[in-house]
Amino acid sequence: EPEVTQTPSHQVTQMGQEVILRCVPISNHLYFYWYRQILGQKVEFLVSFYNNEISEKSEIFDDQFSVERPDGSNFTLKIRSTKLEDSAMYFCASTSSYSNQPQHFGDGTRLSIL
Amino acid sequence: ILNVEQSPQSLHVQEGDSTNFTCSFPSSNFYALHWYRWETAKSPEALFVMTLNGDEKKKGRISATLNTKEGYSYLYIKGSQPEDSATYLCAAHNDYKLSFGAGTTVTVRA
Repeated sequence: EPEVTQTPSHQVTQMGQEVILRCVPISNHLYFYWYRQILGQKVEFLVSFYNNEISEKSEIFDDQFSVERPDGSNFTLKIRSTKLEDSAMYFCASTSSYSNQPQHFGDGTRLSIL
Repeated sequence: ILNVEQSPQSLHVQEGDSTNFTCSFPSSNFYALHWYRWETAKSPEALFVMTLNGDEKKKGRISATLNTKEGYSYLYIKGSQPEDSATYLCAAHNDYKLSFGAGTTVTVRA
């Protein structure tokens, strides 16, 4: 069964550094998402992406965050200048349909900011 | 972001017993209700997507119901097995995003 893959599984970065989290969604999917879960808290929506542009973004997704689908297969999340509070598990998801199909999640990238 | 609540936060159930737990969500501006099963160190696995009031879905020993008018969904596990131990997340879909509850962690004791 096709899977969403995320790399790396764990990223350790110094505060203030840029980090890029990578995702390969399922190939025929059209809608792409990033979520994160800070330890002990709910999974939070960050951004959705469709037709090569952002569909919706949360208040968390400020100017330090950006997403890209550079080559038709990868979907990346960049954090320009990381803060301690960016430490979380980041999940990528994709789906073929707007709302009546499940989202398929990757295994996540654990981001630790020192 | 919709306010989605799940209860209880955790529960323990004896192997072979049945159990159920709740997800509540705002009934306005609602497109779909998702249930996911999440085991530690794995990705959330989709169980159900429900859209219509009165929807009932079943997958093996797990089933779910949806009441969109009052804004709740129940997930049922019949004859719990140790492999059912996981965190069960519900999420309400609106405006291109999922709003998640905090999850119900189920531990099945042999």
